[in-house]
Amino acid sequence: EAGVAQSPRYKIIEKRQSVAFWCNPISGHATLYWYQQILGQGPKLLIQFQNNGVVDDSQLPKDRFSAERLKGVDSTLKIQPAKLEDSAVYLCASSFPGQGVYEQYFGPGTRLTVT
Amino acid sequence: AQSVAQPEDQVNVAEGNPLTVKCTYSVSGNPYLFWYVQYPNRGLQFLLKYITGDNLVKGSYGFEAEFNKSQTSFHLKKPSALVSDSALYFCAVRDRGTGGFKTIFGAGTRLFVKA
Repeated sequence: EAGVAQSPRYKIIEKRQSVAFWCNPISGHATLYWYQQILGQGPKLLIQFQNNGVVDDSQLPKDRFSAERLKGVDSTLKIQPAKLEDSAVYLCASSFPGQGVYEQYFGPGTRLTVT
Repeated sequence: AQSVAQPEDQVNVAEGNPLTVKCTYSVSGNPYLFWYVQYPNRGLQFLLKYITGDNLVKGSYGFEAEFNKSQTSFHLKKPSALVSDSALYFCAVRDRGTGGFKTIFGAGTRLFVKA
């Protein structure tokens, strides 16, 4: 079974530029998450999708961050314009939906450096 | 609001000795609890989870965790540490009582196992 795929793995941009990250979840996983992990901290949920609908985006800085999950499979997270404090690893995860409590499967992450 | 604390930034243990990585949580209702491990340059991997039932949960790679409701703790343990267990460990909690979907991660504890 293929894992969660993310690209790119690394990205360096200047502040005020824009950047986009892509995620392909595990096949059959309807729930998709984007996390921001700043160095020395645990992952912080930015947005959670169930199929192509948003379940939670309470911690997404909506003035600069956006995310979409068209067709309920792949997802894209965009930052525009980027700030220095956006430097972090952006993790995508997916889980199996349903009545049970399922663990999340994480991709390798995209390390973003904003200069 | 739910929260999770990992009071130790780092735990050092000799190979072959037992290890404990501590986690305490705060939720308004009953918790779902998880442990994840992060190896260098890799995404988080699920180790184990507590949903209900037996307070001692067994997981991957010989790890186990004990749920203690009165102390609101979910410490990760292993009877005999291996050098290959050296990694970053994250405790996570989801509050089932609120009906919400968000999983909150701790800041992580770095485990060093010395040969």
